[in-house]
Amino acid sequence: GAVVSQHPSRVICKSGTSVKIECRSLDFQATTMFWYRQFPKKSLMLMATSNEGSKATYEQGVEKDKFLINHASLTLSTLTVTSAHPEDSSFYICSAQRAYNQPQHFGDGTRLSIL
Amino acid sequence: AQKVTQAQTEISVVEKEDVTLDCVYETRDTTYYLFWYKQPPSGELVFLIRRNSFDEQNEISGRYSWNFQKSTSSFNFTITASQVVDSAVYFCALSEVTTSGTYKYIFGTGTRLKVLA
Repeated sequence: GAVVSQHPSRVICKSGTSVKIECRSLDFQATTMFWYRQFPKKSLMLMATSNEGSKATYEQGVEKDKFLINHASLTLSTLTVTSAHPEDSSFYICSAQRAYNQPQHFGDGTRLSIL
Repeated sequence: AQKVTQAQTEISVVEKEDVTLDCVYETRDTTYYLFWYKQPPSGELVFLIRRNSFDEQNEISGRYSWNFQKSTSSFNFTITASQVVDSAVYFCALSEVTTSGTYKYIFGTGTRLKVLA
C-alpha cells in the first residue's frame, strides 16, 4: 500500500520555538497534501490543503502566518508552527493523495507538546 | 451542507461478537466518495475502503464488510467475529469538491470500538 512518512513523530519544546514537521510520500507522487490537527478523543480538523508549487489553501480560522505550509515537490510538504505556544500542543497529521478520486494516505502523525 | 454523522461514540463488545459501526452522510453532490479509516492507539490512520457514489455493491474483505445504501445515505461497517486487535477509533469520511476544484474530506466524529477478551 501507499506509504506516507511523517517526521518527527514527537516534539517537546519551549514556548516561542518554531517547529517544522515533514510529510513525505515515499512511493507515489502526491498531487495534493493535507494537514490536519486532532485534539484528544476528537475528530480530525483540516487545517489546509496544499498542491505542489502553489500556495496552500487554509481552512477558516487557521492562521496562515502561524502555520506555514510549503509544498516544494510532489513528494514533500512541510508544516512549520511558528513561535509555538502551549495552545498549539496537539497531534498533527498529514496525508497525501495521488489524484482527486483516490484515497488520502496518512502519515503516522506528530505529537507536539509546547511547554 | 455536507456532513458525516457517526452517532455511536463508543461501543464495547466481547471478542468474537459481530459489531456494526454506523455512518450517515449528507451531501448535495451526485458524485462523491465515502471512506472508512481505522485509528489504533498508536495514532496513524489506516485506510480501509473507498466507495464511489455510483457503486452500491456491498463489499466484503475478510472479517470486514460494508453496506452502502444511497436511499438512506448510509455507509455502515461490520466487523465479524471481532478480535482484540480491532480495538481502535473508526472514522467515516465523505469527500467533497471545494470551490477551487480540490477534494477534501469531511470526517465523522469517530466511533471508539473496544473489543474485550
